[in-house]
Amino acid sequence: NAGVMQNPRHLVRRRGQEARLRCSPMKGHSHVYWYRQLPEEGLKFMVYLQKENIIDESGMPKERFSAEFPKEGPSILRIQQVVRGDSAAYFCASSPYTEYNSPLHFGNGTRLTVT
Amino acid sequence: KQEVTQIPAALSVPEGENLVLNCSFTDSAIYNLQWFRQDPGKGLTSLLLIQSSQREQTSGRLNASLDKSSGRSTLYIAASQPGDSATYLCAARRTGANNLFFGTGTRLTVIP
Repeated sequence: NAGVMQNPRHLVRRRGQEARLRCSPMKGHSHVYWYRQLPEEGLKFMVYLQKENIIDESGMPKERFSAEFPKEGPSILRIQQVVRGDSAAYFCASSPYTEYNSPLHFGNGTRLTVT
Repeated sequence: KQEVTQIPAALSVPEGENLVLNCSFTDSAIYNLQWFRQDPGKGLTSLLLIQSSQREQTSGRLNASLDKSSGRSTLYIAASQPGDSATYLCAARRTGANNLFFGTGTRLTVIP
């Protein structure tokens, strides 16, 4: 029973390039959350998605960032024209349903470095 | 806006000692509070989840308490072991919110 799978584990991009981060939720989970952890800061919520729907994107920067969770395949967090300030660990979490008392299961994260 | 604070930022204890990690939150309208463990370079492992209607939860050597009125939660670790060394994070979910608000964590080192 695989957990939340994120890839790549490490991603290096030059300024101006695009970064695509992938997340496969746990089997049977249809709710996905993305969080960002900046150096020396706590995790900050970015976006909450269900299959084919963005439910809450209140934590997403207004520009360059987008997320999707298609009917088939993993959830994708896309960052266009990356800047050095985007360097962070990006974590994905999943849950089986929208019950607020269900614990979130996190992946190991993707560490993005922008040079 | 919910703010979550964890003190101390780092803690070193000798093996076998009992210890308490603290978490405070500003908005008492929380739905639940979750404690996580994060190992270097790894993701988060859920340890305990306390509903707002509960006072505490226990799992093995871990006990988490919740006091909504004072805006505090504690994680008690009994008979600490070197394998407990990690960063411990608490996260509060506000009633009606989709997301968790995380503290910055307490980095625990248990010295053999």
